[in-house]
Amino acid sequence: DQQVKQNSPSLSVQEGRISILNCDYTNSMFDYFLWYKKYPAEGPTFLISISSIKDKNEDGRFTVFLNKSAKHLSLHIVPSQPGDSAVYFCAASENPGNQFYFGTGTSLTVIP
Amino acid sequence: GAVVSQHPSWVICKSGTSVKIECRSLDFQATTMFWYRQFPKQSLMLMATSNEGSKATYEQGVEKDKFLINHASLTLSTLTVTSAHPEDSSFYICSAPRNYEQYFGPGTRLTVT
Repeated sequence: DQQVKQNSPSLSVQEGRISILNCDYTNSMFDYFLWYKKYPAEGPTFLISISSIKDKNEDGRFTVFLNKSAKHLSLHIVPSQPGDSAVYFCAASENPGNQFYFGTGTSLTVIP
Repeated sequence: GAVVSQHPSWVICKSGTSVKIECRSLDFQATTMFWYRQFPKQSLMLMATSNEGSKATYEQGVEKDKFLINHASLTLSTLTVTSAHPEDSSFYICSAPRNYEQYFGPGTRLTVT
């Protein structure tokens, strides 16, 4: 049973525009969330995190929003750049020291 | 910053042989490390939790006798794929938690011919 879901397998965005990647989860015990970026044949690269005590966390061009009541989080990238083209995974955990459950990923393509 | 390394980064082996993959935390100690596997175009799936000083905890469906995990020290966990078969070909990634973050290794691409 997939506890973390990314329902959009792919997304194409024009350079300079906003990219919005969505993620839903089912386990209400999840308290800590991460977004990772992954290039082919490489390990995931941490992007940004958020804990359940917040509803927004911002780091440069990346902002993560958390809606606990809807069990939904999203990653906003503004402005999108061609170098952002990669697969983005959201991940959730009950505790940041524990195992994480990953979504299936969204492949983002930023068109120059 | 904290870094997790994996060795080798890629390996090709023949069917029936065993392959060992190392995961090291380079500047911090990790009593727990996690091993994930990723099939093409699929998500990272947790295989097992490696515990220093005790047995690993395997996820349902993962054969513990096939995927041997040894957490030899506070900075090293190893995953040995025994009697490898072509269906074991995959991308294996480890991670270690530190200070409310999870640090991932660069991954190991295993190809079994």
